[in-house]
Amino acid sequence: DVKVTQSSRYLVKRTGEKVFLECVQDMDHENMFWYRQDPGLGLRLIYFSYDVKMKEKGDIPEGYSVSREKKERFSLILESASTNQTSMYLCASSPEGQGIMGASYNEQFFGPGTRLTVL
Amino acid sequence: AQKVTQAQTEISVVEKEDVTLDCVYETRDTTYYLFWYKQPPSGELVFLIRRNSFDEQNEISGRYSWNFQKSTSSFNFTITASQVVDSAVYFCALSEAGQTGANNLFFGTGTRLTVIP
Repeated sequence: DVKVTQSSRYLVKRTGEKVFLECVQDMDHENMFWYRQDPGLGLRLIYFSYDVKMKEKGDIPEGYSVSREKKERFSLILESASTNQTSMYLCASSPEGQGIMGASYNEQFFGPGTRLTVL
Repeated sequence: AQKVTQAQTEISVVEKEDVTLDCVYETRDTTYYLFWYKQPPSGELVFLIRRNSFDEQNEISGRYSWNFQKSTSSFNFTITASQVVDSAVYFCALSEAGQTGANNLFFGTGTRLTVIP
């Protein structure tokens, strides 16, 4: 069964702390994604990665960085947490595109989310 | 630029009623894919359906049905005889075929459906 896991369901941190959110997938997927979900805003893409050590900025990368040292693991880093980073963080993965359909055809598989509160 | 609009923020229905969730999209690509996801209270988004831009055939899966109309850029989702377990947030999403590398999904803001017993 397809599985994406995230290190914590709930996390409380203080302003200025460095925060690591970990995501692991066991499906050998090439692509991995980090989103944040806020009421009324839906899901917004923070960063994604299409290969080990490769990363691309999404729509809202400011204040975040990522790391992908191994294919199965994609980490989101808040260098200095701020209260406006209080949110639900969702990790997802998807396989590489195949044939003429390409990557765009593939659905993404999501983890359960991490609800981060920054005080 | 791509955009997905789910104008209904919240909907409440009584159990066994039918309900339709609206999704309108914008894209310049001629080849694209549309998705619906369900997010139950547990938080994990669950994939429901994918439709490509060349296939306007409606689809039915049990109590769920999807109506894709390119003429109105809509991909609406109907639940027939709703049940309490259908209570969730539903997201519509768009993926454009011209992307290289990973497949970015552009999500709507979601519709929260509450089914009242």
